[in-house]
Amino acid sequence: DAGVIQSPRHEVTEMGQEVTLRCKPISGHDYLFWYRQTMMRGLELLIYFNNNVPIDDSGMPEDRFSAKMPNASFSTLKIQPSEPRDSAVYFCASSTPVGSRYEQYFGPGTRLTVT
Amino acid sequence: RKEVEQDPGPFNVPEGATVAFNCTYSNSASQSFFWYRQDCRKEPKLLMSVYSSGNEDGRFTAQLNRASQYISLLIRDSKLSDSATYLCVVNLGRGGGSTLGRLYFGRGTQLTVWP
Repeated sequence: DAGVIQSPRHEVTEMGQEVTLRCKPISGHDYLFWYRQTMMRGLELLIYFNNNVPIDDSGMPEDRFSAKMPNASFSTLKIQPSEPRDSAVYFCASSTPVGSRYEQYFGPGTRLTVT
Repeated sequence: RKEVEQDPGPFNVPEGATVAFNCTYSNSASQSFFWYRQDCRKEPKLLMSVYSSGNEDGRFTAQLNRASQYISLLIRDSKLSDSATYLCVVNLGRGGGSTLGRLYFGRGTQLTVWP
């Protein structure tokens, strides 16, 4: 399997622009997670889906952030409008239970810089 | 209170040394436990699961103490390539209700192994 695929790997944009991050989970995984990582706050869960349905979006910072999962093999995280404080590495991860264990596998991340 | 607490380090040890990391978790309903490793500017990767009886994988030994809600990771004969941040992770399992499938990550402990 190719693992979790994310695009783009790097994104540099100006404040106020719309940013769309994309994720393809591992085939057969029914959970998908979006995280944000910064030096100050560490790894933060933004939102996660089970069977394409959002389960918990309490980590989404504000209305500027939105996420969708139109099908089992694709998800997007959109920031509109972007702000400099959104600069971070955004990870997508997927998992499926093996017995009672939920091991997550991460994509390589998208490094976002908002100027 | 955070779900998972770790000593952030940094730990700086010479090659060949033995080093131990500890973490505590707050929810006694936690069901599954893991150690992840994150290299600089890379995604977190699963290092090993932690089982109730303790488990070993080569130079790495993980232990769980449910009574004290405490998890440890021991690295023997440290290598330069072990330099990374080690993340302690828990899952609430079915006791977590709507958080089934979600993992809670500690902030990580940074390890540097020097020659």
